[in-house]
Amino acid sequence: AQRVTQPEKLLSVFKGAPVELKCNYSYSGSPELFWYVQYSRQRLQLLLRHISRESIKGFTADLNKGETSFHLKKPFAQEEDSAMYYCALAPQGNKLTFGGGTRVLVKP
Amino acid sequence: EAEVAQSPRYKITEKSQAVAFWCDPISGHATLYWYRQILGQGPELLVQFQDESVVDDSQLPKDRFSAERLKGVDSTLKIQPAELGDSAMYLCASSPSLPWTGSYEQYFGPGTRLTVT
Repeated sequence: AQRVTQPEKLLSVFKGAPVELKCNYSYSGSPELFWYVQYSRQRLQLLLRHISRESIKGFTADLNKGETSFHLKKPFAQEEDSAMYYCALAPQGNKLTFGGGTRVLVKP
Repeated sequence: EAEVAQSPRYKITEKSQAVAFWCDPISGHATLYWYRQILGQGPELLVQFQDESVVDDSQLPKDRFSAERLKGVDSTLKIQPAELGDSAMYLCASSPSLPWTGSYEQYFGPGTRLTVT
């Protein structure tokens, strides 16, 4: 069975500092991995997916199959990045398995 | 911009009562999902529909939960009887889907927060 682990419940950083959210997964095949974000009073939405290899809002994430990780990074955090972030895995058929989430607080 | 709609947004019910949630996906989205999110945890899939058919309900507690999508458009999730442990956020999501490979972005509704007293 697949599993997604986000070890940090809360990350607090100062504006302009780098931020890295850790995500580890367990799955025997080749998964698709995603980061979803929920800003205050907004609905859960897709931030980025590994297959597109894009940088969204300054965030990037690299899939490391050897370490089974998909960490999310941003070199200079902004106050508007404060939100709840969820790593998710989809082995097949769109069935997403979410991690427990990491709350990011960017302080001025 | 089209969005997934859910109602009610909040529901308070007593244990042993029946409760129902409604979801209207984005027009044209064939796949619909119901998730349960317990406070402090990530969403957990309860049931997935492809058009009107259930394709995955392995995590749905079938003794008390039921879900339907009769015409392949909107959907209803029901709990009967509700228990204290059912207190959670219930999220609906939809996605376009094709019969071949690939996973697609899921679009989430605002959720229904259920409190069972």
